[in-house]
Amino acid sequence: GAVVSQHPSRVICKSGTSVKIECRSLDFQATTMFWYRQFPKKSLMLMATSNEGSKATYEQGVEKDKFLINHASLTLSTLTVTSAHPEDSSFYICSAREGLRRTGAGTEAFFGQGTRLTVV
Amino acid sequence: DAKTTQPPSMDCAEGRAANLPCNHSTISGNEYVYWYRQIHSQGPQYIIHGLKNNETNEMASLIITEDRKSSTLILPHATLRDTAVYYCIVRVKDFAGGTSYGKLTFGQGTILTVHP
Repeated sequence: GAVVSQHPSRVICKSGTSVKIECRSLDFQATTMFWYRQFPKKSLMLMATSNEGSKATYEQGVEKDKFLINHASLTLSTLTVTSAHPEDSSFYICSAREGLRRTGAGTEAFFGQGTRLTVV
Repeated sequence: DAKTTQPPSMDCAEGRAANLPCNHSTISGNEYVYWYRQIHSQGPQYIIHGLKNNETNEMASLIITEDRKSSTLILPHATLRDTAVYYCIVRVKDFAGGTSYGKLTFGQGTILTVHP
């Protein structure tokens, strides 16, 4: 299957600083990527849809000024957590779609390995 | 997307078949059943999907009832590495340009524990 890579896998930052997380599609082009957040023992919650060359679409309740998303190319989307606070500590996961290049088979989403953010 | 109901947890002995049920009684005719799993501290992994026919791949089999109101994911010979949270998701099959293209709505899933 297609490969989606996230970096870093773990990051610890001080409260008030900003953290950037990268999501790359390694062997395919992704016009759309998705960012999820997952708290301990909880399910994944979609935060936003990242669109190449245009503004991201945020889910209700997600602060767009706090979670900055940039989709600068067809293989890279970044999520920046600005002025991080301890309550932003979470597991952040991106996913990307390969599109319909493979007829009938390109319907599954591929996920990055996730980024564990700890704000101290 | 239709709502799904899964048991919160299940156990399975290593080497035996793991049968994970999912209820989706409000599924509509154009909605597919997808299964993903998430091993601890990793991103979700696609397993299989189907519309109404049973499906099989190298990872698992998917059995969908004739009325499509429920399905079962079967791992034929579970191993310790299959211990994970398994998510059953019902959604319309994607098409490029669709407003929900690529979006997945995750429920609570089933925690499958495979023990020796």
